[in-house]
Amino acid sequence: DGGITQSPKYLFRKEGQNVTLSCEQNLNHDAMYWYRQDPGQGLRLIYYSQIVNDFQKGDIAEGYSVSREKKESFPLTVTSAQKNPTAFYLCASRDPGRRGYTFGSGTRLTVV
Amino acid sequence: KNEVEQSPQNLTAQEGEFITINCSYSVGISALHWLQQHPGGGIVSLFMLSSGKKKHGRLIATINIQEKHSSLHITASHPRDSAVYICAATEDTGNQFYFGTGTSLTVIP
Repeated sequence: DGGITQSPKYLFRKEGQNVTLSCEQNLNHDAMYWYRQDPGQGLRLIYYSQIVNDFQKGDIAEGYSVSREKKESFPLTVTSAQKNPTAFYLCASRDPGRRGYTFGSGTRLTVV
Repeated sequence: KNEVEQSPQNLTAQEGEFITINCSYSVGISALHWLQQHPGGGIVSLFMLSSGKKKHGRLIATINIQEKHSSLHITASHPRDSAVYICAATEDTGNQFYFGTGTSLTVIP
């Protein structure tokens, strides 16, 4: 079945360490997105990519980095520069032709 | 002010009740989405609509473009409907999602 796979589901890291969250899709979607969700707040856009080897900053890109070397993969690195990295991270993809979105199951990152 | 406002924030219902969640938006949009987020965090897209009404099982979504308002209805609610329901609007390019903060629904048996 086609879909988005995010791994791991739960991730713990020590403060000051970089950590990379995985997002893989087999939907042949061109566009992929990373969102962050904090308690009591809506989802906020971190980065998005419309095609391979291209990506754009979203509303809260500071402290994060991404790459899009393959259409299927859009990993997100939470760097030590991110002041409050503990959050729920959600990956999504979009088929431009049908304007439909698919969401991953998310990764809950806790920095201790 | 948020571009997308949802109400209520929290909702508790008895099994079998008819439920309505409301969403108002202030931006020009190309589509309005209703999403369902379960306690584990994963999100499922329930509806994407740009006009009129859509129905899927016990779920009904409506949108009034002139009033910039959408509603999600659940008929004959069931405890398995307990989740957070999120309203989101996309503008023309589709790259900008404006999310509501969600409505936490609990259906009691």
